[in-house]
Amino acid sequence: GQQVMQIPQYQHVQEGEDFTTYCNSSTTLSNIQWYKQRPGGHPVFLIQLVKSGEVKKQKRLTFQFGEAKKNSSLHITATQTTDVGTYFCAVPSPQGLSFGAGTTVTVRA
Amino acid sequence: ETGVTQTPRHLVMGMTNKKSLKCEQHLGHNAMYWYKQSAKKPLELMFVYSLEERVENNSVPSRFSPECPNSSHLFLHLHTLQPEDSALYLCASSQEDYGQRQPYGYTFGSGTRLTVV
Repeated sequence: GQQVMQIPQYQHVQEGEDFTTYCNSSTTLSNIQWYKQRPGGHPVFLIQLVKSGEVKKQKRLTFQFGEAKKNSSLHITATQTTDVGTYFCAVPSPQGLSFGAGTTVTVRA
Repeated sequence: ETGVTQTPRHLVMGMTNKKSLKCEQHLGHNAMYWYKQSAKKPLELMFVYSLEERVENNSVPSRFSPECPNSSHLFLHLHTLQPEDSALYLCASSQEDYGQRQPYGYTFGSGTRLTVV
């Protein structure tokens, strides 16, 4: 299926700071989705990006789709303890969604 | 109940046992999926049922057998598993728009934590 690389694998953030996680593909994507999985929980759909250069915001979260539709980023501002978890990007494959390895975020209070 | 419900939440089974995982979605979706989530590995797509028809996935061992009796229910039958099959098994559903191919987000269940001893 479709392969996507997510970096970094781990992100340790001081509370109040910003951070960004990236998702990269070697091929052009039709769309990309982002999910969040809290510790001990299950993935929860956050957003979908479809258009080249698209930017969408959800409160402190900003999602961006690259102009070439080969990469995407999730930027979180003023990180809070509630942001702890693993963030996955997911892209379509012939059978279903193919997920990246995820970025696991921990927050230092 | 709302969303996607999975039972049991936890399961411990021996390598010679036969067990089944159950998934039920109350969202009216037309596609259901089984994913495997192991430690330090990405989510692995195991099986897809789209409009109640199974999409083949030849990479999954035959000791895993899916069943989709209707659009709301999905089972994963397990037999003669190996310890490396221990993982979180997640069910998901989505509404596929086959005409426009516009994708929608997946709704996941809480998962079954499986331990094979």
